[in-house]
Amino acid sequence: SQQGEEDPQALSIQEGENATMNCSYKTSINNLQWYRQNSGRGLVHLILIRSNEREKHSGRLRVTLDTSKKSSSLLITASRAADTASYFCATDAGNNRKLIWGLGTSLAVNP
Amino acid sequence: GAVVSQHPSRVICKSGTSVKIECRSLDFQATTMFWYRQFPKQSLMLMATSNEGSKATYEQGVEKDKFLINHASLTLSTLTVTSAHPEDSSFYICSAPGRDNSPLHFGNGTRLTVT
Repeated sequence: SQQGEEDPQALSIQEGENATMNCSYKTSINNLQWYRQNSGRGLVHLILIRSNEREKHSGRLRVTLDTSKKSSSLLITASRAADTASYFCATDAGNNRKLIWGLGTSLAVNP
Repeated sequence: GAVVSQHPSRVICKSGTSVKIECRSLDFQATTMFWYRQFPKQSLMLMATSNEGSKATYEQGVEKDKFLINHASLTLSTLTVTSAHPEDSSFYICSAPGRDNSPLHFGNGTRLTVT
């Protein structure tokens, strides 16, 4: 099932620029996760932020979480052509490990 | 790190035949695995949760008799698309959770084309 919404649906930027993607959700969560998917491949986990955290960094990635607004953002700094992929957010609301997926943002980084 | 292997990566079959897709956790045990379906340029749609040693839990609208799931060991879950039709053509992905709140580990997906 899907309840997350991501914007923008598609984003095209130049190498070196920053890319920001947003995710909104509807119910209370334990954590929110961001994944990346290269075309025709499986998903790769990028970062997990817990409900009691507000910001998290991993390399060039910065994730924020605002539980009052039920939203999260993923910032990729100094983008590279290799960052071209689809990015999905997913929320974990309970113990059954069944994630709720966003619709994804397709990012194109032009060299 | 944890690795999930999915096989085959691509399969083409004729209408009416059955296709089996395997999902293996290579260096960890997975009592639960998730099977997803993904249409082009869309998000993941959870089809079912595979439970080791017991019946799978299917999402609403997913036909149990058409998408047979078997999770006979702690490292292997299989999805069999029975009596395949062209509308079953899609990208199927499996995943397995790590411990506690650790993230999902995904296979590389299977592109199924039914002719």
